[in-house]
Amino acid sequence: EVQLLESGGALVQPGGSLRLSCSGSGFTFTKSAMSWVRQAPGKGLEWVSSISGSAYSTFYRDSVKGRFTVSRDNSNNTFYLQMNSLRAEDTARYYCAKHRSRPEGVGYFYDFDHWGQGALVTVSS
Amino acid sequence: EIVLTQSPATLALSPGERATLSCRASQSVSTYLAWYQQKPGQAPRLLIYDASNRATGIPARFSGSGSETDFTLTISSLEPEDFAVYYCQQRNNWPPVTFGQGTRLEIK
Repeated sequence: EVQLLESGGALVQPGGSLRLSCSGSGFTFTKSAMSWVRQAPGKGLEWVSSISGSAYSTFYRDSVKGRFTVSRDNSNNTFYLQMNSLRAEDTARYYCAKHRSRPEGVGYFYDFDHWGQGALVTVSS
Repeated sequence: EIVLTQSPATLALSPGERATLSCRASQSVSTYLAWYQQKPGQAPRLLIYDASNRATGIPARFSGSGSETDFTLTISSLEPEDFAVYYCQQRNNWPPVTFGQGTRLEIK
């Protein structure tokens, strides 16, 4: 059974930093691209960042470029989101999501077949 | 960035009725569209990928159709557990992948 577990959510002041973690199990972590998707209170879903299985490729939405960094440690089946210079508009529940894998086992698609339960990040003074 | 517009914003139906939810893209996404269900306090769940393929474990009462810019999610006969918020998401043109704003399906 695929399981994703986020940690690291907290209340942080504007301008502060936070690192989220997501540990995965029940699938071949090294072959799986992973993403962070956030949801502001009472709002819809917003993609934030993605990282390939090898960590060779990373992508970010424009509003977080230069402030957020995605990374992964395949030896520990964990990936991360380092968030710096946090703003009030970053307040959201952050979900980690596993990309749907290609049937042949190599490569992935940009939709998400498993999600964690989310980590709440609140940016407020 | 491709904008996805879902309609209606809220749909009120009774158990046993048929639900039809729409998602319209600002430009063609081919068939690279997914649907998710989200219940209160839960993470989203993948229902449909590539416009019409049910994800693993999804009941047959859920079906998807469409291509290019117009897509539909149909629930043939609503069960009590189907009342939730539904999102569409495109993967044809990324980054960024984009989601619709959601349709809330509520009990009438």
